Amino acid sequence: DVQLVESGGGLVKPGRSLRLSCTTSGFNFADSAMRWFRQAPGKGLEWVGFIRSNMYGGSTKFAASVRGRFAISRDDSKAVVYLEMNNLKADDTGTYYCTRESDFDSSASHWGQGTHVTVSS
Amino acid sequence: QAVLTQPPSASGTPGQRVTISCSGSSSNIETNSVNWYQQLPGSAPTLLIYSTNQRPSGVPDRFSASKSGTSASLAISGLQPEDEADYYCASWDDSRSNPGYVFGAGTTVTVL
Repeated sequence: DVQLVESGGGLVKPGRSLRLSCTTSGFNFADSAMRWFRQAPGKGLEWVGFIRSNMYGGSTKFAASVRGRFAISRDDSKAVVYLEMNNLKADDTGTYYCTRESDFDSSASHWGQGTHVTVSS
Repeated sequence: QAVLTQPPSASGTPGQRVTISCSGSSSNIETNSVNWYQQLPGSAPTLLIYSTNQRPSGVPDRFSASKSGTSASLAISGLQPEDEADYYCASWDDSRSNPGYVFGAGTTVTVL
């Protein structure tokens, strides 16, 4: 079974940094693009960014709202993907989901359970 | 606000057919595949539809989807109590200024 487990969430002050991890199993991680999404409390879904497989250069792309502040990296030897969040703002508060990109299109075929991030002083 | 436009709510009685619309533009729905996600209360989203009209294994065939031009729709035939959830449409947007994966604001389906 495909499993994705996020960790690293918590309470952080504005302007500080936080790194989320997503530990995966049950699929060929090295060949998979991975995506991060988030959901503010009581709000809808928002795409954060993705990282391609190293076969496609491991390139990344981000939503405008986080570009320049967030980074995504991957460790294929551990089947883990990371979301590094810097200069955090109150608007970054929410549940962050790690997902595996579908083999067929840009959809997110498998989701983790999410990890909560609260940015507050 | 959301790039794709969905109605905030929809409802029906068990067994009824419910349709959710999703309106976009030439830079997203018209040229790229549409996805639909279901989010049950208190749970993470799950993929309901990929490649505009394909169901992942395990998704009941009462869920169907289509698109025409810049609009897409999700239909639930034979509504069941367990279908009460939030539904989100999504698509890749090729806009030159800000390409990315965009969502609708979500539609809450209530089973009366």
